[in-house]
Amino acid sequence: GAGVSQSPRYKVAKRGQDVALRCDPISGHVSLFWYQQALGQGPEFLTYFQNEAQLDKSGLPSDRFFAERPEGSVSTLKIQRTQQEDSAVYLCASSLVAGGPEEQFFGPGTRLTVL
Amino acid sequence: AQTVTQSQPEMSVQEAETVTLSCTYDTSESDYYLFWYKQPPSRQMILVIRQEAYKQQNATENRFSVNFQKAAKSFSLKISDSQLGDAAMYFCAYRSYGQNFVFGPGTRLSVLP
Repeated sequence: GAGVSQSPRYKVAKRGQDVALRCDPISGHVSLFWYQQALGQGPEFLTYFQNEAQLDKSGLPSDRFFAERPEGSVSTLKIQRTQQEDSAVYLCASSLVAGGPEEQFFGPGTRLTVL
Repeated sequence: AQTVTQSQPEMSVQEAETVTLSCTYDTSESDYYLFWYKQPPSRQMILVIRQEAYKQQNATENRFSVNFQKAAKSFSLKISDSQLGDAAMYFCAYRSYGQNFVFGPGTRLSVLP
């Protein structure tokens, strides 16, 4: 595809449910990032992949959050036993190479609402 | 840990005028990268401009330019000849090599016709 895509665009979950959010990066992009963006705030880093390797997961808020990118392309962010404070927009971004000033291309985000 | 501060939650500018958005950051690194991203309402975030810390010359991209003051750890964005389409949230971001991006809280820019 032409850009980063994310699905679903909107997700409503009942507290305690598990959710899975998908990110399709731009083909060939090495780096993939997940961010959490609360309403009116800047994106907060969650985790970073270089190909299939998860190089940094220091931003994941709890062990209920898990991310994978098994074949170095599509990535899934999973949240187990969702809680109301998990409500946010989850952004995915990819970049062609790793590490430096290269541009990140963002997806449209998945808006998660936990009731 | 690195932090990015944007002290102006909201700004407004008259169409065709110039506006400057402020950003300061805290780091002990000497080599890093700085970015300004734009997030229009309900639309995807896009890169506006970037600066590599080792470059002394300020980056420019058409109507957008930065004032990078490394010693002061300041990275402001100047938008000239403001247009209605410039209305958006603007985020300043920092990255050292191989590390994750750190974003500021954002400045909401309104452009008045």
